Amino acid sequence: DQQVKQNSPSLSVQEGRISILNCDYTNSMFDYFLWYKKYPAEGPTFLISISSIKDKNEDGRFTVFLNKSAKHLSLHIVPSQPGDSAVYFCAASPYNNNDMRFGAGTRLTVKP
Amino acid sequence: NAGVTQTPKFQVLKTGQSMTLQCAQDMNHEYMSWYRQDPGMGLRLIHYSVGAGITDQGEVPNGYNVSRSTTEDFPLRLLSAAPSQTSVYFCASSSRTGGGKKLFFGSGTQLSVL
Repeated sequence: DQQVKQNSPSLSVQEGRISILNCDYTNSMFDYFLWYKKYPAEGPTFLISISSIKDKNEDGRFTVFLNKSAKHLSLHIVPSQPGDSAVYFCAASPYNNNDMRFGAGTRLTVKP
Repeated sequence: NAGVTQTPKFQVLKTGQSMTLQCAQDMNHEYMSWYRQDPGMGLRLIHYSVGAGITDQGEVPNGYNVSRSTTEDFPLRLLSAAPSQTSVYFCASSSRTGGGKKLFFGSGTQLSVL
């Protein structure tokens, strides 16, 4: 029962263009949503988060958008850089619960 | 600053063997957890702890034991390894408990069970 779904296993974009990574969830109890980035042979690292009271959060080149009615969030990277090439995981958790659920990940490749 | 340290990085076991994956953090975090990463499945929570002496089960706890005797250490024990436990294991910690916390991950342990 995957409550967090990333339906695109991979995405390839040109350097300088926008990367859009998508994530869908099924559990209406989720209140917090996070994105993690993972390089090969390393652990995931936190990138950006958003709570359900907001619909947008921005940090430099990274912006996360939340559409609660559609149970959908997306991560925008503008402009994309070759160093952004990694696997991106979407994660979600309820407000008062330690059970954080992750999606299967999307492998982003940014071509020079 | 070491952060979250996992040992070993690689391990090969035979079916039925037992072993302990070690995890230590030096950030004085109350929350620690273990995840496994499998292809197409993402990261799944095995066990977690919100402080010394307190542990609880996550999404996939069967076949694993944990204990938390100190704030720094959170070992994961495989009691009788099975091929289905072949995976990459990540330990993570956080200064917060509850929802929405930012997790700090170790670099992982790649385990193969033959």
